[in-house]
Amino acid sequence: VQLVESGGGLVQPGGSLRLSCAASGFTFSEYAMNWVRQAPGKGLEWVSLITDDGDTTVYADSVRGRFTISRDNSRNTLFLQMGGLRGDDTAVYYCAKSPMTTVTPWFDFWGQGTRVSVSS
Amino acid sequence: DIVMTQSPLSLPVTPGEPASISCRSSQSLLHSNGYNYVDWYLQKPGQSPQLLIYLGSRRASGVPDRFSGSGSGTDFTLKISRVKAEDIGVYYCMQGLQTPLTFGGGTRVEIK
Repeated sequence: VQLVESGGGLVQPGGSLRLSCAASGFTFSEYAMNWVRQAPGKGLEWVSLITDDGDTTVYADSVRGRFTISRDNSRNTLFLQMGGLRGDDTAVYYCAKSPMTTVTPWFDFWGQGTRVSVSS
Repeated sequence: DIVMTQSPLSLPVTPGEPASISCRSSQSLLHSNGYNYVDWYLQKPGQSPQLLIYLGSRRASGVPDRFSGSGSGTDFTLKISRVKAEDIGVYYCMQGLQTPLTFGGGTRVEIK
């Protein structure tokens, strides 16, 4: 299993960014996927979940209405469209795989993360 | 939201000695299927988190048997029977019972 995130960078407050996670080594379309973030020097915060078929999405209160999770099962890729970015969105963003189709009782694999910095 | 509280914040350990980390949840993580929906992760310095224990006591693939998870309901423990230098890092518990999925604040394990 490999999960490779990309798309991070420096963005101004209020700006947008689109993160990607390229998956390989497993049947991507059969598992729910998640984004988890970690602010500098801080702990882990779950951000969002999407079911295997992409029909259901769930968000943390801190990002609901600003972030959109999606997936392209034909390209084995997970996305996170981030808008209305704020300083407290600064973090390393990890793509994390669920062992199941619709829920995530645990994360069995994690990517290496992509860094997002929000600053003027 | 379910709040996960870990202790201690920092744990100095001696190689070869046992170590124990506690995690308490604000509500029961015991599902009607009999499993406790608590997991443990280790984030080694400079690395992504890795799964150690899921469903309270099941070791993930490749995890050494010196790691064990126990507990039920709202009180859980991760034990390392004999600490090795490679076990240093930050340990997190997480509840997988309901969204939002929530983590404990982390316990930093360091060598004395």
